Amino acid sequence: AQSVSQHNHHVILSEAASLELGCNYSYGGTVNLFWYVQYPGQHLQLLLKYFSGDPLVKGIKGFEAEFIKSKFSFNLRKPSVQWSDTAEYFCAVKGTGGFKTIFGAGTRLFVKA
Amino acid sequence: SAVISQKPSRDICQRGTSLTIQCQVDSQVTMMFWYRQQPGQSLTLIATANQGSEATYESGFVIDKFPISRPNLTFSTLTVSNMSPEDSSIYLCSVDRSDTEAFFGQGTRLTVV
Repeated sequence: AQSVSQHNHHVILSEAASLELGCNYSYGGTVNLFWYVQYPGQHLQLLLKYFSGDPLVKGIKGFEAEFIKSKFSFNLRKPSVQWSDTAEYFCAVKGTGGFKTIFGAGTRLFVKA
Repeated sequence: SAVISQKPSRDICQRGTSLTIQCQVDSQVTMMFWYRQQPGQSLTLIATANQGSEATYESGFVIDKFPISRPNLTFSTLTVSNMSPEDSSIYLCSVDRSDTEAFFGQGTRLTVV
C-alpha cells in the first residue's frame, strides 16, 4: 500500500537550532516527493520538491531535503530555524506520471523565540 | 501554477443538513481532488473528480455522503450531506498534474453543531 510516514508529530526548538524532520514512504514504483508547509491560518504551500536529478533539493526559506532512494526517505532540514518557521510540515509522495498525492500525518513545529 | 478559489471559506451548519462547497480554478485542469483535513490530522483524499465522468472515491468515502459535480474543466463542487458533528473538518480542493506539485484552495472550515 502507498503510504508516507513522518517520524515526529510535534517538535519544539529554540531559534537558531538545527532542524531535521524525518519522512519515509512506501510506494511501488518511482516517485516524486514533496514537502508542504502550512503556516497558522494559511493554506498549504509548497516548500520544495524532488522530481529527478540531484537528490539534494533546496527550497524556499533555507530549507533543503535529501532523497535517499535506498532508504525510501526524504528528510527535511534547515541549519538554523527562526520563529517564523513555526508551522505544520507535510511530507508527500506521488507516483512518477501520476496525479494523486499522498500525504504524511504532518509534523507541528514550534520555534521558541 | 494554479489559483484556486473555494467558497465558502467557513460555515457553521446544523446536523442533518447539507453544505455544498464550490471550487473554481483559473485554468483548465483534467483532474480535481477533494481532501478532508480533520482537526490535528493530515489530509485525507475523499475523491478525484474528472470532467465528464463520475468521481472516483477513496476507501471510506461514498457518493451518497459526498456527492461531487464536475460540470467543466475549471469548476467542481463537493456536497457534505446529512451532516453530523464528525463531519466538522477543513475541506480542501486541489488540482494536480503529473509534472508538478499539487495546488490547493484556502479550504472550507466546516463546523457542524
